[in-house]
Amino acid sequence: EAGVTQSPTHLIKTRGQQATLRCSPISGHTSVYWYQQALGLGLQFLLWYDEGEERNRGNFPPRFSGRQFPNYSSELNVNALELEDSALYLCASSQPGGSYNEQFFGPGTRLTVL
Amino acid sequence: AQKVTQAQTEISVVEKEDVTLDCVYETRDTTYYLFWYKQPPSGELVFLIRRNSFDEQNEISGRYSWNFQKSTSSFNFTITASQVVDSAVYFCALSATGGGNKLTFGTGTQLKVEL
Repeated sequence: EAGVTQSPTHLIKTRGQQATLRCSPISGHTSVYWYQQALGLGLQFLLWYDEGEERNRGNFPPRFSGRQFPNYSSELNVNALELEDSALYLCASSQPGGSYNEQFFGPGTRLTVL
Repeated sequence: AQKVTQAQTEISVVEKEDVTLDCVYETRDTTYYLFWYKQPPSGELVFLIRRNSFDEQNEISGRYSWNFQKSTSSFNFTITASQVVDSAVYFCALSATGGGNKLTFGTGTQLKVEL
């Protein structure tokens, strides 16, 4: 069974540009989560999508947004990039249901903002 | 609000030693779930275990064991007879029914196992 996949592996942008990160969940999983792992800040929850809807959002500004497609894949968009957005962005997926479901993570996208 | 504390930033051991990684959590929810993840140098988080707040039974899986104690709000992880391949960052995480499915992670413990 294929795991969570993310693309691209690495992304280099300049300040003020927009970045788009993509994630495909494990087959059968309807929930997709995004986390940011920035140096010195640890792993922080960004967004949760389920059945095409945004269900929960972490403490991030509105320029972090995303969506979930009918096939349950997801996109994370970061507008007006700032230097501190440089981080590893991890996507996870889980089966439908509540907070008891384990989240399975992808390999991440390393975003570098110059 | 939920909080997870991993006080050990880095631990170094020699192969075959036993090592325990500490995790202390805070939550006001009565129903919650605790997780451990491993992050090797490649970066991908690997799920290790889930425990729910109603099940304090300790668990053993091969060289790995977990000790969950609600009285001290701790969920510690022990690796027996450590191996070099165990070298990674280990994260403890909490998910509560009132938390909207998000995982709240500790800051992680870097484990280095040397020959």
